[in-house]
Amino acid sequence: DVKVTQSSRYLVKRTGEKVFLECVQDMDHENMFWYRQDPGLGLRLIYFSYDVKMKEKGDIPEGYSVSREKKERFSLILESASTNQTSMYLCASSLAGYSNQPQHFGDGTRLSIL
Amino acid sequence: DAKTTQPNSMESNEEEPVHLPCNHSTISGTDYIHWYRQLPSQGPEYVIHGLTSNVNNRMASLAIAEDRKSSTLILHRATLRDAAVYYCILRDVGGGSYIPTFGRGTSLIVHP
Repeated sequence: DVKVTQSSRYLVKRTGEKVFLECVQDMDHENMFWYRQDPGLGLRLIYFSYDVKMKEKGDIPEGYSVSREKKERFSLILESASTNQTSMYLCASSLAGYSNQPQHFGDGTRLSIL
Repeated sequence: DAKTTQPNSMESNEEEPVHLPCNHSTISGTDYIHWYRQLPSQGPEYVIHGLTSNVNNRMASLAIAEDRKSSTLILHRATLRDAAVYYCILRDVGGGSYIPTFGRGTSLIVHP
């Protein structure tokens, strides 16, 4: 089974801090994704990557950056955390061939910015 | 990706079949229909996908209308563990878009 592991289930940080969220997948997937999930808004895509060192903006990239130095690892960075970035963050991966390849999700990181 | 419309919530009794509808009237010929579900405190989980023909797997069945403007996810015998939010999304093979759009989904309540 595919395993997508997010480094923390719960995280509390302070306004203005630089925050790193880490995601690792063990199935050699080309594509990796970062979403945030908020009540009433569903999942919104922040960034995705289709190869090492490649990235594309999703629907809500403002205030975030990403890093993919190795195929199995995709990091989400909050450059200067703000309270409106308090959310559930979900990482996913999939094989290339995007239209009919399912995404595999981690269990999420619930981030609180105080 | 084209939009989908799902009811906000549905209820079922345990061990009864559940039919979860999804409307996608603007679907294109190259859109795949994917279903995911999200259990409480977990990330979404892939359930099933299809293009034109009905599909079955160990988790569920997917019935696709002949005109492809709607589809139905069928859980043959609901259990308490099936209580989750179910998402219907479209993925376009031709448009080059990597981005699947998850709406609010349908919250399924299963009564013992």
